[in-house]
Amino acid sequence: NAGVTQTPKFQVLKTGQSMTLQCAQDMNHEYMSWYRQDPGMGLRLIHYSVGAGITDQGEVPNGYNVSRSTTEDFPLRLLSAAPSQTSVYFCASSYDRQGFDKNIQYFGAGTRLSVL
Amino acid sequence: AQKITQTQPGMFVQEKEAVTLDCTYDTSDQSYGLFWYKQPSSGEMIFLIYQGSYDEQNATEGRYSLNFQKARKSANLVISASQLGDSAMYFCAMRGLSGNTPLVFGKGTRLSVIA
Repeated sequence: NAGVTQTPKFQVLKTGQSMTLQCAQDMNHEYMSWYRQDPGMGLRLIHYSVGAGITDQGEVPNGYNVSRSTTEDFPLRLLSAAPSQTSVYFCASSYDRQGFDKNIQYFGAGTRLSVL
Repeated sequence: AQKITQTQPGMFVQEKEAVTLDCTYDTSDQSYGLFWYKQPSSGEMIFLIYQGSYDEQNATEGRYSLNFQKARKSANLVISASQLGDSAMYFCAMRGLSGNTPLVFGKGTRLSVIA
């Protein structure tokens, strides 16, 4: 099983460039999310989706766009990269059935992004 | 809104000793789940243990146990017989179970196991 696959693993951008971080899962999970991890800040939620066609903002959504056209894919778009977006980005997925316990989120390996 | 607080930025423990990592939470949800994840230096996020708010017994998974005190809103992770491979960042997280609520993380505790 591939689980949650993120590409690329590393990326360097110049200020103002745009790019898309890819995330795909093969577990038929309804719920997918994007986090960023900065030193001393833990993981902060950027955007999440509870199913195809449905997305919502998390704690730090500014500067990022998402869409969910299929169950499997949840790309994260940086519209105009800024140095403040230098971070490690994690994609995660889980089942999202109300009342279903555990709902363990499975994480991708992460994308390390540097914006110069 | 949900909030997770981990007050220990760093902890040291001697190999083979037990260690407790603190986690307190705040939520208005009646039903919720509490999670602990481990992040080794390689960077991946590894699920360790889960506790449901309605579970009467503390969760255990091998050397990991969760000391759940609902009235005090705490969900401390206990690692018994620490090993050098336990050196990592540990994150406490929670999620409401009554709707489409996201998983919220604390800032983490860095555990260092000393030989």
